[in-house]
Amino acid sequence: TAGITQAPTSQILAAGRSMTLRCTQDMRHNAMYWYRQDLGLGLRLIHYSNTAGTTGKGEVPDGYSVSRANTDDFPLTLASAVPSQTSVYFCATQTGEGTGELFFGEGSRLTVL
Amino acid sequence: GQNIDQPTEMTATEGAIVQINCTYQTSGFNGLFWYQQHAGEAPTFLSYNVLDGLEEKGRFSSFLSRSKGYSYLLLKELQMKDSASYLCAVMDSNYQLIWGAGTKLIIKP
Repeated sequence: TAGITQAPTSQILAAGRSMTLRCTQDMRHNAMYWYRQDLGLGLRLIHYSNTAGTTGKGEVPDGYSVSRANTDDFPLTLASAVPSQTSVYFCATQTGEGTGELFFGEGSRLTVL
Repeated sequence: GQNIDQPTEMTATEGAIVQINCTYQTSGFNGLFWYQQHAGEAPTFLSYNVLDGLEEKGRFSSFLSRSKGYSYLLLKELQMKDSASYLCAVMDSNYQLIWGAGTKLIIKP
């Protein structure tokens, strides 16, 4: 099935450990995004990539890093997890020249203890 | 600062009509989006408005007034499956999306 695949779906992680959330798309969209969603707050942008080889910081980038080695993959890494990073993480791609609708992956629920 | 306001929660009856409002203050404007998000699922695109007026798509319509910084999503003939959160997002002058916290819509029989 075409679309966006995120892994893992859910994970419990000890504080201080590292973790990489994977995101793979097969729609050949240039723009990709990582958001976190917390209760009572809007989606907050962590990092983005307008095209392969480039990345940028969003609203809440601290504690996270990304890479974009190719068009399809956009992994998000937490180098040393903290409890405040407990959240649901969504990867998204975008049609057009960064102005179209977003397509979201199914999300990764991360709990940091 | 940039801000998107929408009601936290609304309740409506199956078969009725409901209007979900969204007001915004952003640095520039390049369009307003509405997304639907069922509990535990990903958001899915509903509508996009960049010019003033009403856009109709089946049972759902979206309205925009740029001068008032205001939009609404109108849902007609409500069905139980419409129970979800509805997210308003504005694209600012840098083409960044600013998201509201979402409106949880509860449909009662």
